[in-house]
Amino acid sequence: DVKVTQSSRYLVKRTGEKVFLECVQDMDHENMFWYRQDPGLGLRLIYFSYDVKMKEKGDIPEGYSVSREKKERFSLILESASTNQTSMYLCASSFRDRYQPQHFGDGTRLSIL
Amino acid sequence: SQKIEQNSEALNIQEGKTATLTCNYTNYSPAYLQWYRQDPGRGPVFLLLIRENEKEKRKERLKVTFDTTLKQSLFHITASQPADSATYLCALVLWSSASKIIFGSGTRLSIRP
Repeated sequence: DVKVTQSSRYLVKRTGEKVFLECVQDMDHENMFWYRQDPGLGLRLIYFSYDVKMKEKGDIPEGYSVSREKKERFSLILESASTNQTSMYLCASSFRDRYQPQHFGDGTRLSIL
Repeated sequence: SQKIEQNSEALNIQEGKTATLTCNYTNYSPAYLQWYRQDPGRGPVFLLLIRENEKEKRKERLKVTFDTTLKQSLFHITASQPADSATYLCALVLWSSASKIIFGSGTRLSIRP
């Protein structure tokens, strides 16, 4: 079974802090994704990566950056956390082919105070 | 503008009946359409994929239809059970993008005994 592991289930940080969310997958997937999920807005793509050190902006990249130094690991960075970044963050991975399903972690519920 | 809509935010069904969820989209050209299930506090889990040239796909008690003329997919759960209660997300895989998929905001399905 594919396993996508996110480092924290719950996280509380203060405005202005630099926040790191980590994601690891164990299926040798080429693609990895970071989403945020808010009530009524669904899943919105922040960034995705199709290979090591490669990244592309999603629909809402402002205020975020990412890092993919190893194939299995994809990090989301909030450079200077703000209260409007309070959300559920979901990481996913998939094989490269477009029809392949995405496999999700169980999310990190991040609160910025 | 481009939209993907799941036109019921919540659906309540009597156990044993067929649940039908709707996914409509505008101004997208999907290659595939996927359906996911999400339980509270968990990440989405892939259920089914249907290609643009397929009319219908079945898996056990699940059936998905895809009408590219109407720009609509229907997701059916027959002989519904309380354990089917969850949020169901549709997602478009676009011809124009190798990896990105566009998620709907989901329909919360409740099956009452």
